[in-house]
Amino acid sequence: KNEVEQSPQNLTAQEGEFITINCSYSVGISALHWLQQHPGGGIVSLFMLSSGKKKHGRLIATINIQEKHSSLHITASHPRDSAVYICAVLPNTGNQFYFGTGTSLTVIP
Amino acid sequence: DVKVTQSSRYLVKRTGEKVFLECVQDMDHENMFWYRQDPGLGLRLIYFSYDVKMKEKGDIPEGYSVSREKKERFSLILESASTNQTSMYLCASRGQHSGNTIYFGEGSWLTVV
Repeated sequence: KNEVEQSPQNLTAQEGEFITINCSYSVGISALHWLQQHPGGGIVSLFMLSSGKKKHGRLIATINIQEKHSSLHITASHPRDSAVYICAVLPNTGNQFYFGTGTSLTVIP
Repeated sequence: DVKVTQSSRYLVKRTGEKVFLECVQDMDHENMFWYRQDPGLGLRLIYFSYDVKMKEKGDIPEGYSVSREKKERFSLILESASTNQTSMYLCASRGQHSGNTIYFGEGSWLTVV
């Protein structure tokens, strides 16, 4: 049983397209992270959310705590956005994060 | 900026060898984690530590051990490497005073031949 489900697993988009990646989780959480991993690289946190919505440049992340669902949106996508995006949740109890299996995004020029 | 440094980016080891993967963080974080990442399986927790000399098994501890003798350093040990341990290994840390933010190292690609 996976506590965090992401969709889609793979996504190919044309440059400039609006992109949405979804994350659903099954546990009560303290926080949710959207993480980005470039090929061969480490992982960086793009957003940490516990409610509402956050925006950073062309990236927007939203969370609905009641529905246990979060989305990551990329506006005006660019080839440099090509990466794996991972949803991670920190449950209310414990120190462990639960991770989705990631969404591999390719943006074609 | 928080820095999590993993000692080796790429390693090739022979079956049966003992392998040490080192991780150091510079932000006085209490919690440190070792994950392995495999295609289609995402990040899986091997071990974590919430304080010096403390360790807890994660989801896939078999074949691994860890050491946390100092707060800043968390080592992952493969006592006898096997080919099914070929993977990307990621270290992460999180501090009570840094809220719920988690910081990752650059990853170590281990190939066991």
